[in-house]
Amino acid sequence: DSGVTQTPKHLITATGQRVTLRCSPRSGDLSVYWYQQSLDQGLQFLIQYYNGEERAKGNILERFSAQQFPDLHSELNLSSLELGDSALYFCASSGGQYQETQYFGPGTRLLVL
Amino acid sequence: AQTVTQSQPEMSVQEAETVTLSCTYDTSESDYYLFWYKQPPSRQMILVIRQEAYKQQNATENRFSVNFQKAAKSFSLKISDSQLGDAAMYFCAYRSKAGNQFYFGTGTSLTVIP
Repeated sequence: DSGVTQTPKHLITATGQRVTLRCSPRSGDLSVYWYQQSLDQGLQFLIQYYNGEERAKGNILERFSAQQFPDLHSELNLSSLELGDSALYFCASSGGQYQETQYFGPGTRLLVL
Repeated sequence: AQTVTQSQPEMSVQEAETVTLSCTYDTSESDYYLFWYKQPPSRQMILVIRQEAYKQQNATENRFSVNFQKAAKSFSLKISDSQLGDAAMYFCAYRSKAGNQFYFGTGTSLTVIP
């Protein structure tokens, strides 16, 4: 158990809908990262937050947004969902802005029908 | 941007034998971190081992060790005495010391043959 929690574990929804994925980092970790992993694909970095502020942005679509709250949990919002958004979404956390090691949550499996 | 290349999409090893997974990366930085993560069928991402670029000594964690060749920008993972539980997808990752982003390779799928 990495100490990073993600909810829900599974999510099934329809095209055009909006969903919110939640992540709680390890106790004391300030950085949260979001990744997307499509079937048989590698990890695509989406976005990073550090202590509530956006720090780095990767290949995140405009339909997607994220934020980190004062209690350090983070949410990833996916809107106008398309079939191609079906994937495993990981959250990872690390201790500081430049802390070198990430610890991953179990992921949220999103299926868009 | 930095790139991480894993040239072996699939590898197999006999149980109890040794296997080496390859990873190369491209960077102009001198100080950075390298990682190997394991993703078993459960799809949980598990940290296997990490290496700090300024440390010449190769990292070791039990049966897992790395061969870090900084000049060649190579970071291979050696798994000794392979076990059935080692079967997984293995990802190599790079992180600069100054930056915030991690860069992952495309992964190597390891099969362990009983």
